[in-house]
Amino acid sequence: QVQLVESGGGVVQPGTSLRLSCAASGFTFSIYDMHWVRQAPGKGLEWMAVISYDGRNEFYTDSVQGRFTISRDNSKNTLYLQMNSLRAEDTAVYYCARDGSGWSHDYWGQGALVTVSS
Amino acid sequence: EVVLTQSPGTLSLSPGERATLSCRASQSVSGNYLAWYRQKPGQAPRLLIHRASNRATGIPDRFSGSGSGTDFTLTISRLEPEDFAVYYCQQYGTSSYTFGQGTKLEIK
Repeated sequence: QVQLVESGGGVVQPGTSLRLSCAASGFTFSIYDMHWVRQAPGKGLEWMAVISYDGRNEFYTDSVQGRFTISRDNSKNTLYLQMNSLRAEDTAVYYCARDGSGWSHDYWGQGALVTVSS
Repeated sequence: EVVLTQSPGTLSLSPGERATLSCRASQSVSGNYLAWYRQKPGQAPRLLIHRASNRATGIPDRFSGSGSGTDFTLTISRLEPEDFAVYYCQQYGTSSYTFGQGTKLEIK
């Protein structure tokens, strides 16, 4: 069955960096676009970024453009999110999600909590 | 950027009743690429409907989606206990995605 497992979350200070990973299994990872979506505590969902199946194309929401980088290693079936210059407002649960039919997100990981605090 | 506005913010109903949730877009959603998700407390969202009216794999037929252009609706015909959760709509347009702010469906 499809599984997405995030890791790498934790507590970090403002201005520092963190890299999240998302290990995929149960499907052919290399033929799917992949996304990161976040959810601040008690708030709604916010789409962050998408990367094409071959890693050639990336798109970001404006609030993280230039600070966050999405990447993937198809040989390792793993998706990444490099987060730099972290701010308190980046505190959230970060989910990886698979691109589904009709530009939806059909499978989600359980999420990784990132807390940015001094 | 397309802004999605969901209404009502909170909906109080009883098990067995019918629920109607609305999602309105600030401009027409291209290709009707509008999806609906259910999120239970402490869990990741689950895809219910894609492209406005297509049920995702494994989703029971009590869930149905309708609409086009700027106005979309999720209907749950007979509420089960597990349906009391938060629902989000989401649209795709020009390499960007946005979510609505959510509707909380609570037990009356």
